[in-house]
Amino acid sequence: DADVTQTPRNRITKTGKRIMLECSQTKGHDRMYWYRQDPGLGLRLIYYSFDVKDINKGEISDGYSVSRQAQAKFSLSLESAIPNQTALYFCATSDPGNGNQPQHFGDGTRLSIL
Amino acid sequence: AQTVTQSQPEMSVQEAETVTLSCTYDTSENNYYLFWYKQPPSRQMILVIRQEAYKQQNATENRFSVNFQKAAKSFSLKISDSQLGDTAMYFCAFMKPPAQKLVFGQGTRLTINP
Repeated sequence: DADVTQTPRNRITKTGKRIMLECSQTKGHDRMYWYRQDPGLGLRLIYYSFDVKDINKGEISDGYSVSRQAQAKFSLSLESAIPNQTALYFCATSDPGNGNQPQHFGDGTRLSIL
Repeated sequence: AQTVTQSQPEMSVQEAETVTLSCTYDTSENNYYLFWYKQPPSRQMILVIRQEAYKQQNATENRFSVNFQKAAKSFSLKISDSQLGDTAMYFCAFMKPPAQKLVFGQGTRLTINP
């Protein structure tokens, strides 16, 4: 089984719908992150969480919200989806360590908003 | 804020050749980490190699090596004896502790031709 699991893998929906992307991990890491990938822009940070009670905005948080339900679960919501939120979304985790640990990524959710 | 620039959107080489992917970054920090991630068509994000800024020695991982020039803020990836399985999008990324947030470049699409 994958260490970082994202569901769904693909999703097509309509403008104005509420969407939730889910991420769960079995790595036991405290830190979790949501990124979106757009062609020509690389990956950009949406939100990140250091533990259940610590949630922080990233570079592009407008139009998104998150919920850290447990150490192992971190969900990303689009309250009212719009077409320019069409992208590939990644969840990642990391172990604080001494601050030098790489992030481990899920396989991504491809979201298309019509 | 940190920025990462990959100036080569696409590259193509023949199998067994050596290829170098460029990456430059901008930061005023002294303690940071740099990464190269590979994203094959399966869209997984796979860590290729990591470099600590305080280390002068360039990191190597089998056929993959980096040329880290701290003063020039340059971090290039060299792939030796390229293989068809190296075909992928490659992302350069910057990380500053303790938050461990990643800042990505735009990516370079590398194609290895038989």
